[in-house]
Parts: sequence; structure tokens; C-alpha cells
Amino acid sequence: GAGVSQTPSNKVTEKGKYVELRCDPISGHTALYWYRQSLGQGPEFLIYFQGTGAADDSGLPNDRFFAVRPEGSVSTLKIQRTERGDSAVYLCASSSTQGLNSPLHFGNGTRLTVT
Amino acid sequence: AQKITQTQPGMFVQEKEAVTLDCTYDTSDPSYGLFWYKQPSSGEMIFLIYQGSYDQQNATEGRYSLNFQKARKSANLVISASQLGDSAMYFCAMREGTDYKLSFGAGTTVTVRA
Repeated sequence: GAGVSQTPSNKVTEKGKYVELRCDPISGHTALYWYRQSLGQGPEFLIYFQGTGAADDSGLPNDRFFAVRPEGSVSTLKIQRTERGDSAVYLCASSSTQGLNSPLHFGNGTRLTVT
Repeated sequence: AQKITQTQPGMFVQEKEAVTLDCTYDTSDPSYGLFWYKQPSSGEMIFLIYQGSYDQQNATEGRYSLNFQKARKSANLVISASQLGDSAMYFCAMREGTDYKLSFGAGTTVTVRA
């Protein structure tokens, strides 16, 4: 079946602009996660959705970052007034359950470059 | 505090040999799960293997095995019979029983030489 799909795969934007990154999880997966990965580093947690609600947004770096999942499927990560430090790969993942042994299935990421 | 520590930034291994990637973790929760992921240069994160804190045996999955030493809080990944396609970044991650997100280490780059 189809995996996690993220669009766009690459996004270049100017400092100060607004961007939206989209994630389409595996069908039927209720749990959805956003992570950010800087070059040579491990993924850092941003936000977690269970269904439509953000169950944990403790990883969002500041109020310029926001994410929604209005119908419990597709999610959009929104970044306002982008800064050069926001440049990174943004990874989306989904899982079928919240069980301890349930792995996250990742998309290929969106590489965001802020110039 | 860092929950997952991977001390080897990069490793070289000869094709067909085994390689061990170190991972230590820090948690006070008795219930937790440990995961290993592979990230090739293409960027996708591929789930390799899982070990639960209450599992009595070390996890194995094909050429991947996990050397789980609970008292030492280590969960080292062993890749046997390395192949050129194993060249990638490898991440250790943990989920604690009261949580749902995975916390990742900084990763280890493995380069397999022919």
C-alpha cells in the first residue's frame, strides 16, 4: 500500500515568507507526527496528533510554527515569518496505534531552504 | 538531558563483515521500547528492528540483531554480513511507556567498503 506522502519534496522561500508543508499519512493511521531534522542530526520532535487534535505540541520551537489536521487524516505544518534557522528537512510520520512497539512510518520529508 | 546517546559519528566496515553500532539510553520508566532506523542518502527513514524493555530475548530481524543489555542501558545494533547497500545513517530511538513520541539519537554513519 501507499506510504506516507509529503509535499512538496523541496521548498525554497525567502526570509519572512509563509510556508505550508503537507503530509498525507498511511490510510487508517490515527497517529501523526511531525519532526525536524537538521543536517547530520537526528530527527527532533515537533508535534503529535491523535485523530484531529494536537495531543502534544511541546516540540514546536515558537509561535511561528503551527500544525493542523482538520479531518484526522492529512496534516499541514505552517510556518510564519520564516527565518534562515528554519532551514531543515521536515519529516512526517504516522503509526497505526499508540502501542509501545508500534514503529513510526516516515515520509521522505520536505527540504525547506530559507534564503 | 539526552535520552539517547550514539557516540560513534562514523564507521567504516569491509563488505561481508559484521559491524556493531552503539546506543545507550536514559530513562527511569520501567516500560520502554527501543527502535533502530536506517536513513540512506535518499533521506527516507526505514524501520529496522524493535526491542521492548520486558522482552526476554534479543530481537533479530534478518541480518539485524539487537544486543540488549538492560542493566547497562545499552541497545547496540549488529549488522551481519555487511553489504554495500547498508551504507547509510543509522539512528537509535526510544519510546517511554508514558509517552508516544520517539526520541532519537544523533546517528552513526556507516560506510561499507568493497
